Amino acid sequence: LAKTTQPISMDSYEGQEVNITCSHNNIATNDYITWYQQFPSQGPRFIIQGYKTKVTNEVASLFIPADRKSSTLSLPRVSLSDTAVYYCLVGGNYGGSQGNLIFGKGTKLSVKP
Amino acid sequence: DTEVTQTPKHLVMGMTNKKSLKCEQHMGHRAMYWYKQKAKKPPELMFVYSYEKLSINESVPSRFSPECPNSSLLNLHLHALQPEDSALYLCASRTLARADEQFFGPGTRLTVL
Repeated sequence: LAKTTQPISMDSYEGQEVNITCSHNNIATNDYITWYQQFPSQGPRFIIQGYKTKVTNEVASLFIPADRKSSTLSLPRVSLSDTAVYYCLVGGNYGGSQGNLIFGKGTKLSVKP
Repeated sequence: DTEVTQTPKHLVMGMTNKKSLKCEQHMGHRAMYWYKQKAKKPPELMFVYSYEKLSINESVPSRFSPECPNSSLLNLHLHALQPEDSALYLCASRTLARADEQFFGPGTRLTVL
């Protein structure tokens, strides 16, 4: 499974756009990239998943360059409630149970007023 | 119903006790997972069940015994645990039909005295 590297922590202010980049140099052809959000003492929550180019949903965007060796999670106009740990996972999901299973160290995002 | 439920929310047990953690989902997911998460660390994969059969055991000590009685239920039986086993235990499930995210439960906070 591909290893991921993220910044340990990031600070932001309310209303700003936050971009968290994840490196995954040995990503395999079948691997998807998935981001989760986790609040203290809660289970991780799915944010977004992509394979290439750009994916957008109601809460975030995911940018993946052509070489797929990195990806950037973009959170528009963050609020205090976005303070959490964000995990980037890389793995294959084609009909097998061995999907995105291995969590990296994550990025602790702190949003200040 | 898009929820994974876990019981109990909190559990305190002595090193000689036997207890069980329960996880349930009614989303028709055929892959179910147990993770262990220590404070300020990412979740660590323990076990994976695929179609009610154990497919991955990440070298977990035998004092942890998983069980998948049916496609909706996952148990983790605990016996003779150590204080260092105190952690948040997370259950997750996902469909095997396509690339998809894992749905996590809220976790059971376990304290071993």
